[in-house]
Amino acid sequence: AQSVSQHNHHVILSEAASLELGCNYSYGGTVNLFWYVQYPGQHLQLLLKYFSGDPLVKGIKGFEAEFIKSKFSFNLRKPSVQWSDTAEYFCAVNARSNDYKLSFGAGTTVTVRA
Amino acid sequence: DAGVTQSPTHLIKTRGQQVTLRCSPKSGHDTVSWYQQALGQGPQFIFQYYEEEERQRGNFPDRFSGHQFPNYSSELNVNALLLGDSALYLCASSSLGQGEIYEQYFGPGTRLTVT
Repeated sequence: AQSVSQHNHHVILSEAASLELGCNYSYGGTVNLFWYVQYPGQHLQLLLKYFSGDPLVKGIKGFEAEFIKSKFSFNLRKPSVQWSDTAEYFCAVNARSNDYKLSFGAGTTVTVRA
Repeated sequence: DAGVTQSPTHLIKTRGQQVTLRCSPKSGHDTVSWYQQALGQGPQFIFQYYEEEERQRGNFPDRFSGHQFPNYSSELNVNALLLGDSALYLCASSSLGQGEIYEQYFGPGTRLTVT
């Protein structure tokens, strides 16, 4: 069975600081990888996705993620956070071999102090 | 362009009762998935419907059942409610026809509280 691990439960940082959230998955086959964000009071929104090709993926709002196949990782980064980045971030994995479900990590709450 | 909608927003039920949650997919989408999100956890896959049939199911008991209608909307039914069923229930839609089956768009969820 697939599992997804997010290393940090809660991250607190100041505006303009850099952010990196770790995500590791356990699945040996070909995968699709996603980061979703949930802003306070809002629904889950897709931040970025990786299906194939360039392992460095750029998403919305200045976020990017790097897929490192050998490490089974898909870490999320942002060079300089803003107060509006305060949200919960979820990493999700889908095994491409006839499997349609998303397997989510437990999420990381990011609090950005103004 | 209407996104995924869910109803009701909140629901309070008593143990042993039954509940029905509803979902309308994003315009143009034909596939609906349901997830349960307990407090402090990531969403857990319940099942997915396509062409009015359950295509894939997660590790949930038979008390959880669903239905998809010809207009692609869907219902999630939970029988014999337990306190542990209290959670946010999320609906997500995607499109096999548009080749976007792996990219899922989520609704705002229904908050179910079982007392």
